[in-house]
Amino acid sequence: GESVGLHLPTLSVQEGDNSIINCAYSNSASDYFIWYKQESGKGPQFIIDIRSNMDKRQGQRVTVLLNKTVKHLSLQIAATQPGDSAVYFCAENTLNTNAGKSTFGDGTTLTVKP
Amino acid sequence: EPEVTQTPSHQVTQMGQEVILRCVPISNHLYFYWYRQILGQKVEFLVSFYNNEISEKSEIFDDQFSVERPDGSNFTLKIRSTKLEDSAMYFCASSVGRANSPLHFGNGTRLTVT
Repeated sequence: GESVGLHLPTLSVQEGDNSIINCAYSNSASDYFIWYKQESGKGPQFIIDIRSNMDKRQGQRVTVLLNKTVKHLSLQIAATQPGDSAVYFCAENTLNTNAGKSTFGDGTTLTVKP
Repeated sequence: EPEVTQTPSHQVTQMGQEVILRCVPISNHLYFYWYRQILGQKVEFLVSFYNNEISEKSEIFDDQFSVERPDGSNFTLKIRSTKLEDSAMYFCASSVGRANSPLHFGNGTRLTVT
């Protein structure tokens, strides 16, 4: 069955350091992946996405890496700031569904220490 | 920037009562979703909706749940007879496309069933 999970439930980093949040998925049919950030009391917010025909995509201070061979996804945040403290979810879509729904992983709580 | 809005932000109801959660998706989006998140847990898919009908629904979305798009702007989730275990955050989301499109989430309705 399909499942999307994260290796670590919590991550604590020092302000200014780089953060790496990992995600494993099991559905070989997954072909679109998204990282969401959820701050306390808010809904998930889109950060960055990547399609299965790519292995790396960069945004502002964030990079997503996709390794389809081992079904692994990671989010790298450069120069982590206190405002980056949140829960981060990876999510995956499969093109062969009718709805384009996203299946979410368990979430990693990132805490940035000043 | 356009956003998904949800009302109310918090709903308290007694077990067995009906509740309607309301959402206004982003205006040019075509796909609509409801997700729920039990406190401290991951975001779970409930239902997707396109072209005035349900595209896909999860096992959670049983006969007690229904969705409706009564006019050109609102998207509602109805729970006919609430149970204690329905207590959760309910998030509405919309997307412009079916696949390869990130979801845009509202800030949720916290439903408390007593």
